[in-house]
Amino acid sequence: QSVLTQPPSVSGAPGQRVTISCTGSSSNIGSGYNVNWYRQIPGTAPKLLIYGDNNRPSGVPDRFSDSKSGTSASLAITGLQAEDEADYYCQSYDTSLSGWVFGGGTKLTVL
Amino acid sequence: QLQLQESGPGLVKPSETLSLTCTVSGGSISSGIYYWGWIRQPPGKGLEWIGTIYYSGTTYYNPSLKSRVTISVDTSKNQFSLKLSSMAAADTAVYYCATHPFYFGSGSYFDYWGQGTLVTVSS
Repeated sequence: QSVLTQPPSVSGAPGQRVTISCTGSSSNIGSGYNVNWYRQIPGTAPKLLIYGDNNRPSGVPDRFSDSKSGTSASLAITGLQAEDEADYYCQSYDTSLSGWVFGGGTKLTVL
Repeated sequence: QLQLQESGPGLVKPSETLSLTCTVSGGSISSGIYYWGWIRQPPGKGLEWIGTIYYSGTTYYNPSLKSRVTISVDTSKNQFSLKLSSMAAADTAVYYCATHPFYFGSGSYFDYWGQGTLVTVSS
């Protein structure tokens, strides 16, 4: 089981807004550690999507944003496009494990 | 722009030790700017952090794998390596090398990734 919990799947129609949750605990997200997000097209390496305090690498549109509250974080995607269909992973640091941890991943389907 | 490339065997026998190398180009491991990490992904499953090394040799390992993992760095070749002992079928996965910025410390994120290499454990 992953230290960070994500829903296995989410879906939305083109143009809609979807959110992907990432639930942790007091030893990771709840301790204030950054939550970072990645997108992965099957068969390819993950790519950094959002890091730190809602920062986006060059080339990532502002349709992607994140938020954090307590022991959870969320990735929001607005104006959903067919090209957004992929697997999404959250990642943080866990002080109990003294290491970096990932969520189990969420498959986004664009209807 | 950093580029990372994994190399190593695609097939390992059960109980054997896996050895993978990540060759870095476009930057120096000795710069001190990055941590250098290994992450794996079993077929159809999620990502698992294996461990990380800093150019000084300081290592950080996933507790669930710590007893079997050794990560080392060769600054002269601009490479870092992973050894995972006592391989079993459950270790079949795509293995990625990746960097994460040192100055972010524990809040670090994985920004540059290799393409990944599939390692299958089978006799």
